[in-house]
Order: sequence, then C-alpha cells, then structure tokens
Amino acid sequence: DAGVIQSPRHEVTEMGQEVTLRCKPISGHDYLFWYRQTMMRGLELLIYFNNNVPIDDSGMPEDRFSAKMPNASFSTLKIQPSEPRDSAVYFCASSPGGSGNTIYFGEGSWLTVV
Amino acid sequence: GQNIDQPTEMTATEGAIVQINCTYQTSGFNGLFWYQQHAGEAPTFLSYNVLDGLEEKGRFSSFLSRSKGYSYLLLKELQMKDSASYLCATLAGANNLFFGTGTRLTVIP
Repeated sequence: DAGVIQSPRHEVTEMGQEVTLRCKPISGHDYLFWYRQTMMRGLELLIYFNNNVPIDDSGMPEDRFSAKMPNASFSTLKIQPSEPRDSAVYFCASSPGGSGNTIYFGEGSWLTVV
Repeated sequence: GQNIDQPTEMTATEGAIVQINCTYQTSGFNGLFWYQQHAGEAPTFLSYNVLDGLEEKGRFSSFLSRSKGYSYLLLKELQMKDSASYLCATLAGANNLFFGTGTRLTVIP
C-alpha cells in the first residue's frame, strides 16, 4: 500500500517567494495533519482536517500560512511570503481516526528559505 | 495545556538495555505514543499505551503510569540500527498528537 506522499521532498527558495507543499494521504484515512519540525521546537502540529474540513488550525504560526484540502486525496500547505525562519521539515500525516489509531507520516518536505 | 519532558540525548552500548523516560502534563489524556525517527526520515510508530502497565513488543517495551504522568520506552539487546530519535507524544482528544522534542539515542559498539 502506498503511504503518505509528499512533494516536493526538498525546496530551496528565496525570502518573499510563495511556497506550496503538497500531500496525498493514505486512501481511506479520514484525518490529515500538517506538522513542522525544527531542532529547537521539535514536531509541532500546524493544522488538521477531518473529512476535508479543518478542525484545528491553532498551530498555524501566522497569516502567511494557509492550508486547504479540496478533496479526500489531496492537501496543500502554502506559505506566502516565505521567510528564513520558516526553514524546517514539513510533515504531512494521516490517520483512519478514532482514539489510539496510529498516525502515519510522509517522508517530509525539507524547506530552506534563503 | 500540554508539556512533555524527555532527555535530549542518551548513549548506550550495543547489546545493552536502555530506558528512555518521558514525563507529561496534559489535559484530556487519551493515550501515549512512542515514535522512532531516524535522521532524515519520517517518524514511525512504535507503541501506544492508554492503560497503566507495560506493553511488550519484541525488543521494545513501553510503560505508562497515568497517575504519575510518566512513561518509559525500554529497548533491549540494542543494535546499531536503533540509533535514532525517540519521540514521546500524548494524545489529546481523539486525534491530536502532541510531541516532545525527542531523545537522540546513540548506540556505540
């Protein structure tokens, strides 16, 4: 079975540019999560969706970040404009839902903003 | 609020046993997860505890004490491939995982 698929795997962009990260969750999973990982702060939940509806976006750092899930098989995380402090690994994850159900992570998108 | 504390780094010898501790404060506790993350890779699921006690799975075991807000991950017969970061995470609500910053384990020959 295909796991969570993210693209791009690596991106280097200049400050001020728009960045779009993409995610395809595992088929049949009702929950999709976007996490950000840095050395200083570890893994932080940015936003999660249930059945394509955003449930909790309290972790989104500021208005420069936005996320969408137009259908059950696709989600995007957009940063506009990007800043050097946004450099991190962004993980998408999905879960079938229900207490105790495992969250499965994609391979991550490594973003560097210069 | 949520808070998780675990040691930043640990070193252990191949073949030995190591215990990685995790203490947490959380509202709405619905379980505790351990994930393994090799450098440059995604976190992968190791274990889930929702009731007090020890859960054993091969070389890995995880323990939970809800009254003490405490968990540990026990790794036996350490192998070089066990060198990785180990992330403790609490489940708040049904689906929201809150992660600690992880413990980087180095296994030496």
